[in-house]
Amino acid sequence: AQSVTQPDIHITVSEGASLELRCNYSYGATPYLFWYVQSPGQGLQLLLKYFSGDTLVQGIKGFEAEFKRSQSSFNLRKPSVHWSDAAEYFCAVGVKYSGGGADGLTFGKGTHLIIQP
Amino acid sequence: DTAVSQTPKYLVTQMGNDKSIKCEQNLGHDTMYWYKQDSKKFLKIMFSYNNKELIINETVPNRFSPKSPDKAHLNLHINSLELGDSAVYFCASSQERRGGITGELFFGEGSRLTVL
Repeated sequence: AQSVTQPDIHITVSEGASLELRCNYSYGATPYLFWYVQSPGQGLQLLLKYFSGDTLVQGIKGFEAEFKRSQSSFNLRKPSVHWSDAAEYFCAVGVKYSGGGADGLTFGKGTHLIIQP
Repeated sequence: DTAVSQTPKYLVTQMGNDKSIKCEQNLGHDTMYWYKQDSKKFLKIMFSYNNKELIINETVPNRFSPKSPDKAHLNLHINSLELGDSAVYFCASSQERRGGITGELFFGEGSRLTVL
């Protein structure tokens, strides 16, 4: 079965500094890959997605992510964070429906981003 | 218009009660889902529903039952509520799968259930 690992539970970054959130997945083929953001008390909003093609993907709010097949990674980056970026970030994979069990996306456990003034 | 809407946003109830959460999507999507987010923010899929095919996560207790009156609605009914059911429940929808793979999910804002 597929799995997603976000090794950092919490990350603290100073406002204006660069950011990288790590995501590794386990799956036998190339999955669809996603990053979602969840602000406090809100639902999940899609930041960006990778289906195929260019491995560097641009998203909303100045975020980008790079798919590296050799490392089974899909890390999220932003060159300069803003206080409004403080939120929970989730990496997710979508895999081929196997016909058994629930499909949908499998999510990592999330990384809580704290922005220091 | 909200793409995926859930009601109620907050629900506080006693153990043993039965409650429902409603979900509607106006995106014309074929597949809808229910996810549970626990206190540690972990998101776990409970159900997916596509063209009247219900796929159940085997770890979900049978006290939970999804009901879909039509393609745009997927409601969640919970019987005999327990303390451990306290969580945020998210409804989501997606377009028909590409090549059998789930595409992007569109989420509702969540329904926070507190069982006392």
